[in-house]
Amino acid sequence: DTAVSQTPKYLVTQMGNDKSIKCEQNLGHDTMYWYKQDSKKFLKIMFSYNNKELIINETVPNRFSPKSPDKAHLNLHINSLELGDSAVYFCASSHGRGFSNQPQHFGDGTRLSIL
Amino acid sequence: DQQVKQNSPSLSVQEGRISILNCDYTNSMFDYFLWYKKYPAEGPTFLISISSIKDKNEDGRFTVFLNKSAKHLSLHIVPSQPGDSAVYFCAASNYGQNFVFGPGTRLSVLP
Repeated sequence: DTAVSQTPKYLVTQMGNDKSIKCEQNLGHDTMYWYKQDSKKFLKIMFSYNNKELIINETVPNRFSPKSPDKAHLNLHINSLELGDSAVYFCASSHGRGFSNQPQHFGDGTRLSIL
Repeated sequence: DQQVKQNSPSLSVQEGRISILNCDYTNSMFDYFLWYKKYPAEGPTFLISISSIKDKNEDGRFTVFLNKSAKHLSLHIVPSQPGDSAVYFCAASNYGQNFVFGPGTRLSVLP
């Protein structure tokens, strides 16, 4: 069973469109995260939710809106996609409350390409 | 400002020899450090961690060393195996406040 699964794996779309990426974890973790890996391969935190509550919100355009229907799911919705949004987006989860000293478990990433 | 640095983008090592991956950090408030391993088209996988109250942590072939005064940590893999070929990310945490990944080092273990 996949511990952290995100869909889709690949997403190719045109500038200006709205798209969503879904993430689910079956590890019973309390905290989930979204990361962006840019062209320089840096992994940067975007958001973190603990038991459906937003606890970390880094400087991210408000076109990005995370939604957590329950603690096992954290979806990422992106409005009005721009060329600079092209990246690999990783979902992760961990025990504890945001940036605790608990290892994070990552999904396999969603490669978003904007045409 | 890059708070966690991995100055070697790549490293090649012969199978059976030691691999040493280095990481430097600038924020003295970091108190927990982790290493992750990443294969292509997969997410990072947790490898080993160390608290700032320790200077060494060992798990099988993997050992992490921490030098707080130099703000430097290293990951030693002995002996290196071809399956260890991957990108290794160093990460640093300031409990509840901050979590930063380094840019990664690509390790190639040659048979």
